[in-house]
Amino acid sequence: GAVVSQHPSRVICKSGTSVKIECRSLDFQATTMFWYRQFPKQSLMLMATSNEGSKATYEQGVEKDKFLINHASLTLSTLTVTSAHPEDSSFYICSARDTGWSTEAFFGQGTRLTVV
Amino acid sequence: AQKVTQAQTEISVVEKEDVTLDCVYETRDTTYYLFWYKQPPSGELVFLIRRNSFDEQNEISGRYSWNFQKSTSSFNFTITASQVVDSAVYFCALERTGSARQLTFGSGTQLTVLP
Repeated sequence: GAVVSQHPSRVICKSGTSVKIECRSLDFQATTMFWYRQFPKQSLMLMATSNEGSKATYEQGVEKDKFLINHASLTLSTLTVTSAHPEDSSFYICSARDTGWSTEAFFGQGTRLTVV
Repeated sequence: AQKVTQAQTEISVVEKEDVTLDCVYETRDTTYYLFWYKQPPSGELVFLIRRNSFDEQNEISGRYSWNFQKSTSSFNFTITASQVVDSAVYFCALERTGSARQLTFGSGTQLTVLP
């Protein structure tokens, strides 16, 4: 099946710094990618929908200036957590759909962010 | 608005027992998709099934089976003869129709299969 690669899988950063997470579709073109956030023992909450070549659509309550999303190509979307704080520590996971809307969304492996 | 409810937060069973994970959903759409995903401790989401709202046929895949009942807005998942490797968090999800097609996830059920 289709593969979505997310990098890094784990990152620890200092409070106040920025962290970039990459989400790549390896064998298909993804017009749309989704970014989710998951706190421990909780569900996945959609943060934003990323469309290639246009601005991301953020869910209510998600700060777009803090969580910068760029979808510059059909195979790559990035999420940058700017000026990270300990409360941003979470599991971030992306998913991608191919341009044909054929089947299920494919998920990356997730990134566990710890801000110290 | 879309909503998915998984009332069972945690379930523990002994190996070889059958277990059913419940999922109830709410949507105003007439066309939608329902999903089940498995999330092992490593964190990645493993796709298990996608079901179209027009297809109410139950499905069986090995030890897994799914019961879709539109009349009760339920999409339950049964594992027969459970194994320790089945221990994970299981999420039911509903896909919005329209151009965006985001997934709305339930809160998940932590399944622990004891040896």
